[in-house]
Amino acid sequence: NAGVTQTPKFQVLKTGQSMTLQCAQDMNHNSMYWYRQDPGMGLRLIYYSASEGTTDKGEVPNGYNVSRLNKREFSLRLESAAPSQTSVYFCASSAFSGTGSGYTFGSGTRLTVV
Amino acid sequence: RKEVEQDPGPFNVPEGATVAFNCTYSNSASQSFFWYRQDCRKEPKLLMSVYSSGNEDGRFTAQLNRASQYISLLIRDSKLSDSATYLCVVIPFSGGYNKLIFGAGTRLAVHP
Repeated sequence: NAGVTQTPKFQVLKTGQSMTLQCAQDMNHNSMYWYRQDPGMGLRLIYYSASEGTTDKGEVPNGYNVSRLNKREFSLRLESAAPSQTSVYFCASSAFSGTGSGYTFGSGTRLTVV
Repeated sequence: RKEVEQDPGPFNVPEGATVAFNCTYSNSASQSFFWYRQDCRKEPKLLMSVYSSGNEDGRFTAQLNRASQYISLLIRDSKLSDSATYLCVVIPFSGGYNKLIFGAGTRLAVHP
């Protein structure tokens, strides 16, 4: 099925470890996003890529880096994981940035940092 | 004050009931509004856009009140399958990238 694929689905890290969350979309969308979702809070934008070759910080970028590898793939890297980064991470894509209605989300990565 | 606020609920209603949720937003220049649905431990999915004149999609009706800065979602004849968290989404006018602002969600539980 067409859509957004995230890997891994679950991950447990020790404080200080690093990891990369992978995201790929097959809808030929221009824009891709990384969000985190914490209990009692709305989804918060970490980084986004309005188009291939560009990336920008969102609301909560500290502790993360991203790479727009090509039009399909947008990865999120935690260089030195901290317990505060325990969260559910969603990747999303849209044909164009900020349209709201055309966002497709991946199924999420549940990350626990101990 | 949060940019988008929702009553977290849960709203517990019987099948067939009518239920309404409100969402308030702080930026009066906000330009676009949506309701997303999120099932437990799943990703958000677009339920419907919210238009200035109000709009309906089957059992769901969305309305916008710009003067009071809130949007609403009305669900008629609730089904068990409507049980989910409903996320209010607002795009504030920023002059640049149109960032989506998500509310924390309102949880709905429909029981037999």
